Amino acid sequence: GAGVSQSPSNKVTEKGKDVELRCDPISGHTALYWYRQSLGQGLEFLIYFQGNSAPDKSGLPSDRFSAERTGGSVSTLTIQRTQQEDSAVYLCASSVSRQGASDTQYFGPGTRLTVL
Amino acid sequence: AQSVTQLGSHVSVSEGALVLLRCNYSSSVPPYLFWYVQYPNQGLQLLLKYTTGATLVKGINGFEAEFKKSETSFHLTKPSAHMSDAAEYFCAVSESFGNEKLTFGTGTRLTIIP
Repeated sequence: GAGVSQSPSNKVTEKGKDVELRCDPISGHTALYWYRQSLGQGLEFLIYFQGNSAPDKSGLPSDRFSAERTGGSVSTLTIQRTQQEDSAVYLCASSVSRQGASDTQYFGPGTRLTVL
Repeated sequence: AQSVTQLGSHVSVSEGALVLLRCNYSSSVPPYLFWYVQYPNQGLQLLLKYTTGATLVKGINGFEAEFKKSETSFHLTKPSAHMSDAAEYFCAVSESFGNEKLTFGTGTRLTIIP
């Protein structure tokens, strides 16, 4: 079946602009994660959605970052007033996620964001 | 809080030689442990994972890892390296209860020498 898809694959923007990154998880997966991969910070957790529960936003680096998940499926990560340090690859992952289990997270190909 | 340490950001081995990538973790609760591989310009792919039970875990492409609680380690090995193993490898840990967000190590880039 189809894997996790992300769009766009590449995004170049100017400092101060807002950007939206999209993630389509695997159908039926209730958990959705956003991570960021950058040269300086490695792979870091941003935000986690599980079903209808309140998301875990503990990894968001600033209030310029926000995410939502509509209808328990597609998710959008929004970065407002982008800064050069936001340049990174943004990865989305989804899992079946029965709580207390260890379901595999399946990763999308990522969106490479470049802030000029 | 959890953390993962991968010793050696770059490892080079000859084709046919043993591959050993090191991973140590810290966790306040029983951990789940993972190895992911990232080929150039591709996403992360799960190699193997440890949850409970047998401490020696076998994964795809001939890789295996052993969970050693006393050493807080989860080193990745492969008896004989192949050119196609060249990639970046990430060790990760998650808690066994509640939020399953992954905490990653900084990665090890594996180069295979012909």
